[in-house]
Amino acid sequence: AQSVTQLGSHVSVSEGALVLLRCNYSSSVPPYLFWYVQYPNQGLQLLLKYTSAATLVKGINGFEAEFKKSETSFHLTKPSAHMSDAAEYFCAVKGDKLIFGTGTRLQVFP
Amino acid sequence: ETGVTQSPTHLIKTRGQQVTLRCSSQSGHNTVSWYQQALGQGPQFIFQYYREEENGRGNFPPRFSGLQFPNYSSELNVNALELDDSALYLCASSLGRDGTEAFFGQGTRLTVV
Repeated sequence: AQSVTQLGSHVSVSEGALVLLRCNYSSSVPPYLFWYVQYPNQGLQLLLKYTSAATLVKGINGFEAEFKKSETSFHLTKPSAHMSDAAEYFCAVKGDKLIFGTGTRLQVFP
Repeated sequence: ETGVTQSPTHLIKTRGQQVTLRCSSQSGHNTVSWYQQALGQGPQFIFQYYREEENGRGNFPPRFSGLQFPNYSSELNVNALELDDSALYLCASSLGRDGTEAFFGQGTRLTVV
């Protein structure tokens, strides 16, 4: 069975600091992995996806993620946080359906 | 190109009632999936429809049912509402039975009192 685990339900950073949101996956087959962002009272917006091409994936809003098979990880990073990045972030793995992690709430302080 | 739209945006129902939520898929997409997102949780897969047929179901009771229409829009029906059904219901559309990219609507916030 496939699953994802997001480490840290809350992450707080200062504006301009590095953002690192952690995601580990479990899959018996090469996975398709995704990061979604959710702003308050809104749906999910796709940030980026890994579909077995390049291991470093660049997404929207300056985010990127690196697929590391040896560590079964797909951590999301952004070099410099902006106030507008404050939101809930979900890692997901796709088999016959999308399976989401429990989410990480990112707070950005001025 | 229109995105995924859901209606209504908010809904309040009484325990025991029935509710229908609607979703219009993104233009050209023939697969629709429904998810339930309880407060503070990640979305949970309810079911998926591909070309008007159910194509996968999560761990939800039969009182959760759905339809997909020839234009690929979809409905989610929930009978005998329970308090725990209060959640954000998300619809996502994609292309193909195993489409790798799902586009989500804004969701319907259902409150059961």
